[in-house]
Amino acid sequence: QKEVEQNSGPLSVPEGAIASLNCTYSDRGSQSFFWYRQYSGKSPELIMSIYSNGDKEDGRFTAQLNKASQYVSLLIRDSQPSDSATYLCAVRYSGNTPLVFGKGTRLSVIA
Amino acid sequence: GAVVSQHPSWVICKSGTSVKIECRSLDFQATTMFWYRQFPKQSLMLMATSNEGSKATYEQGVEKDKFLINHASLTLSTLTVTSAHPEDSSFYICSARTGGGDQPQHFGDGTRLSIL
Repeated sequence: QKEVEQNSGPLSVPEGAIASLNCTYSDRGSQSFFWYRQYSGKSPELIMSIYSNGDKEDGRFTAQLNKASQYVSLLIRDSQPSDSATYLCAVRYSGNTPLVFGKGTRLSVIA
Repeated sequence: GAVVSQHPSWVICKSGTSVKIECRSLDFQATTMFWYRQFPKQSLMLMATSNEGSKATYEQGVEKDKFLINHASLTLSTLTVTSAHPEDSSFYICSARTGGGDQPQHFGDGTRLSIL
């Protein structure tokens, strides 16, 4: 059973702080990794994708991947109240298979 | 780019009614489409995967005769909930992807289905 694990939270951070969201996955052969954001009552929207070890930055977001540790994280710098949402980690194990989603971490940014 | 349009956004209907939900990829060809269901405060649950021109592959526990999926073109997939009952009330979300490998899945805005 391929699994993606996330701490459900809530993770509370003050406005302007760095929010750190973590995710682990079970299959060492996983190839593609994605972070989605889902506001309450809305569908998920893609934030970032990462495919190789290391860091990938896009604006205030940085994704980090460590395949040896089977660990992927998302850092949000200068957190804003509008970043308050559930963040979903998703992993593709191979080829044409659907993404496997974690249950999400609820982030609350306190003004 | 990568816009997925889902319609309708909200449906309220009587028990026993069949409901059709459309999912369209507006600016790319969706070789694969996925249908998810999400109950309040719960995670996404994959219902089925469909490739254009092929029969859908349903996840374990999802009744294929109740949730009919058609993916007749590279830009359109439909989910029909047949003889819907109150327990089918949920948030249904489609997702589309072009090609395989590293391509992400893009989500529609979802359809909130309420069966009275």
